Amino acid sequence: QMNQSPSSLSASLGDTITITCHASQNINVWLSWFQQKPGNIPKLLIYKASNLHTGVPSRFSGSGSGTGFTLTISSLQPEDIATYYCQQGQSFPFTFGSGTKLDIK
Amino acid sequence: QVQLQQSGAELARPGASVKLSCKASGYTFTSYWMQWVKQRPGQGLEWIGTIYPGDGNTRYTQKFKGKATLTADKSSSTAFMQLSNLTSEDSAVYYCAREYDVAMDYWGQGTSVTVSS
Repeated sequence: QMNQSPSSLSASLGDTITITCHASQNINVWLSWFQQKPGNIPKLLIYKASNLHTGVPSRFSGSGSGTGFTLTISSLQPEDIATYYCQQGQSFPFTFGSGTKLDIK
Repeated sequence: QVQLQQSGAELARPGASVKLSCKASGYTFTSYWMQWVKQRPGQGLEWIGTIYPGDGNTRYTQKFKGKATLTADKSSSTAFMQLSNLTSEDSAVYYCAREYDVAMDYWGQGTSVTVSS
């Protein structure tokens, strides 16, 4: 089970924000982060906890291992308005977190 | 380039079955797991299961055992998901996505399934 928080977040342009995901058991580094903009398909941001997927801006970063993980977005941009999900890949089923809806103040 | 092309929207009656497809191109289809995800309107992502087209090996989350059946056709590089005994709870968008390094790196555009009498 993946516990993701907060469920929603409002921040200002240029802010740095952090989303956390806590696994109920040790998942090593097998955690991904996805971004889903309204009306769009999910897109991979981070894989294996801290690896930036091809083409993803460097203001996105991931960290953590074991049971605690964070997604950080620095210098928040208007195009970052989206819902963010974590997903564990340590063992089946590959459960998702419940999502964090980010909007701009 | 990697592409996953999913079949078109489905409208089905309660109790019916539908078979969704996901045609892969731009990579070796048989070498990567293909995952399937459900998203109900306004809701989060729900992992259904995965298939390895190379040998047909499958894994499902418990909730979807008996509901979803994953198959793959190597000759056409197409993955399929059959959903059976449909109810209104099955109305959702369903995505296929390639798994690379235990991450879903490429996604299909999604197939909308509407169950209504």
